[in-house]
Amino acid sequence: QKEVEQNSGPLSVPEGAIASLNCTYSDRGSQSFFWYRQYSGKSPELIMFIYSNGDKEDGRFTAQLNKASQYVSLLIRDSQPSDSATYLCAASFTGGGNKLTFGTGTQLKVEL
Amino acid sequence: DVKVTQSSRYLVKRTGEKVFLECVQDMDHENMFWYRQDPGLGLRLIYFSYDVKMKEKGDIPEGYSVSREKKERFSLILESASTNQTSMYLCASSLGGRGGTGTEAFFGQGTRLTVV
Repeated sequence: QKEVEQNSGPLSVPEGAIASLNCTYSDRGSQSFFWYRQYSGKSPELIMFIYSNGDKEDGRFTAQLNKASQYVSLLIRDSQPSDSATYLCAASFTGGGNKLTFGTGTQLKVEL
Repeated sequence: DVKVTQSSRYLVKRTGEKVFLECVQDMDHENMFWYRQDPGLGLRLIYFSYDVKMKEKGDIPEGYSVSREKKERFSLILESASTNQTSMYLCASSLGGRGGTGTEAFFGQGTRLTVV
């Protein structure tokens, strides 16, 4: 069973701080990695994807991938109360037909 | 923008009923997926399809079937609804590709199904 693991949280950070969300995966054949944001009662919304080792930046968000250590992280700079949500990490695996396997999500709370 | 539309936002059905959940995408995506989401269990894949009339079982296919007669439409069928199928059902689609760009999935708004 290919697995994606996340700490369920909640992770609490003060407004304006950097939030760091982590994810590990079990299959070294994993190809691509995705971060989704999900507000309560809503469907997941894609924030970023990454498939090469290193960092990828998009506005206040930075995704980091380390294939040797099998982890992916998402950094949110200048965290805002509107960033309070559950963040889902997902991976697609080699030969998996593009299907995504999801972690159970980390709840982030940004406090005023 | 990609648009994935699920036919119902909320549904209440009785035990034993046959239930149809419909999903339509408007971006000519190859892949379509049905997930269910339960507290503490995350998103679990029920079925997916990578082409018209093609389907593959996901991690929890028992009690479900699917149909994809047209590229844009993917239906999830609960053959005989049971209370343990009460859940949030999420449809998603992706363009398709061999890793990297094209594999990211876009979700519909979800259907909250309650079986009583």
